[in-house]
Amino acid sequence: QEKVQQSPESLIVPEGAMSSLNCTFSNSASQSIWWYQQHPGKGPEALISIFSNGNKKEGRLTVYLNRASLHVSLHIRDSQPSDSAVYLCAVRSAGNKLTFGIGTRVLVRP
Amino acid sequence: EAGVTQSPRYAVLQEGQAVSFWCDPISGHDTLYWYQQPRDQGPQLLVYFRDEAVIDNSQLPSDRFSAVRPKGTNSTLKIQSAKQGDTATYLCASSFWGYSAETLYFGSGTRLTVL
Repeated sequence: QEKVQQSPESLIVPEGAMSSLNCTFSNSASQSIWWYQQHPGKGPEALISIFSNGNKKEGRLTVYLNRASLHVSLHIRDSQPSDSAVYLCAVRSAGNKLTFGIGTRVLVRP
Repeated sequence: EAGVTQSPRYAVLQEGQAVSFWCDPISGHDTLYWYQQPRDQGPQLLVYFRDEAVIDNSQLPSDRFSAVRPKGTNSTLKIQSAKQGDTATYLCASSFWGYSAETLYFGSGTRLTVL
C-alpha cells in the first residue's frame, strides 16, 4: 500500500515570502503526484499535479519531482494570507487510487 | 457549473445509531469516491464507483458501512451502528475517469460526531 509522508507539520511564513513543502512517497512507479489545498470546513481542492521527473510551474506554484529519491516538493512564491490552509500531498497509484498524506498546515502572517 | 453537493453538513449521534450521507456529483462525472477524514489527518478512501459499479470497497468496514450508487449518479453512504471511532468528516468526490490526469473534485463534506 502506498505511503505518503509530509513535512513540516506546520509552517509560518511572512506575507510575500516563499512557502516550501515536502512530500515523500513509497512507490517509484506511482502514476502521478498531486497537491491539494484545504481550507477549514471545506473539501480539498486540486492545485497542481506532476507526472514526470523535473519541475512544473503554474502561476505562483512550482512543484519538483524526483522519482529516484521518492520526493516531491511544492513552493508557493509571494505567499498571501489567503494561502493559509492545509496542503495535502496525494499519490495516484495502480488501481487508480489516490492516497493522501496528513498535510502541512501553512499560516501566512500579514 | 454546480460542484459536488453533500448533505447533511453536520450529524451528531449516540453510539449504535444509524446515519446516511448523500452525495450529488458533478454532472457528467462517471466516477464517485467516498473518503473518511479524521480530524488532523488526510482523507482515506472508503469506496469508489464507476457508474453504478463498485470498483474498490476494500477499505469499507463492511459489517457496518454500506454505499450505493443505483443509477450511476447520486450516492448514499450509510453507517448502520455508529461507533465513537467513526467520528470524522466524510467527503464525497467525483471525476471523469479516463487517464492519469483525472482531477478529483470534492464536496465540503459531512462532519460526523459520535458521542
